[in-house]
Amino acid sequence: NAGVTQTPKFQVLKTGQSMTLQCAQDMNHNSMYWYRQDPGMGLRLIYYSASEGTTDKGEVPNGYNVSRLNKREFSLRLESAAPSQTSVYFCASSVGQGPYGYTFGSGTRLTVV
Amino acid sequence: DQQVKQNSPSLSVQEGRISILNCDYTNSMFDYFLWYKKYPAEGPTFLISISSIKDKNEDGRFTVFLNKSAKHLSLHIVPSQPGDSAVYFCAASARGSSGSRLTFGEGTQLTVNP
Repeated sequence: NAGVTQTPKFQVLKTGQSMTLQCAQDMNHNSMYWYRQDPGMGLRLIYYSASEGTTDKGEVPNGYNVSRLNKREFSLRLESAAPSQTSVYFCASSVGQGPYGYTFGSGTRLTVV
Repeated sequence: DQQVKQNSPSLSVQEGRISILNCDYTNSMFDYFLWYKKYPAEGPTFLISISSIKDKNEDGRFTVFLNKSAKHLSLHIVPSQPGDSAVYFCAASARGSSGSRLTFGEGTQLTVNP
């Protein structure tokens, strides 16, 4: 029972490079989310997908794009990485009907140098 | 604008004693509140929740209290155990929010000393 799987777990990028963070869930959840965690700032929502085929901006979307590839997969892309995007990124999913508990992945630690 | 705020970055308690973690919110549209627990190198995991129609919810050693007039909630852990040492995040959801979005606080690092 994998839950939410994120790849890669660690990544180091040079400023200006691009990359895609992958996320997949096997719980048949409708909604998926990308958060970033920074010291002293908690978890901030980057983008979310309420259901397959829809995506919306969260609190801190600048510098990111997302794709809801199908019901299982929700990817986050950094087109031109900046040092300010150094963070731990978490993908999460939820049933979507009501504000019930999310299931989180184990995170991707990204460093941009 | 931090709509959910945890003012204590850290808390240290002795094993067997009570841990009280606090959370304040500003958005009066929030009607559902959750606590998540996070160990290092892992994702947050759901711990306990409460609807705004209640003022208390209990699950084993964990109890969440909600004071709507003060826009304040707290998590009580009794008795505290060393395995409870983790970062605790408070989260809130607003009526009608699309996709069940949660707004998180900054987190409180709880350390339970043996």
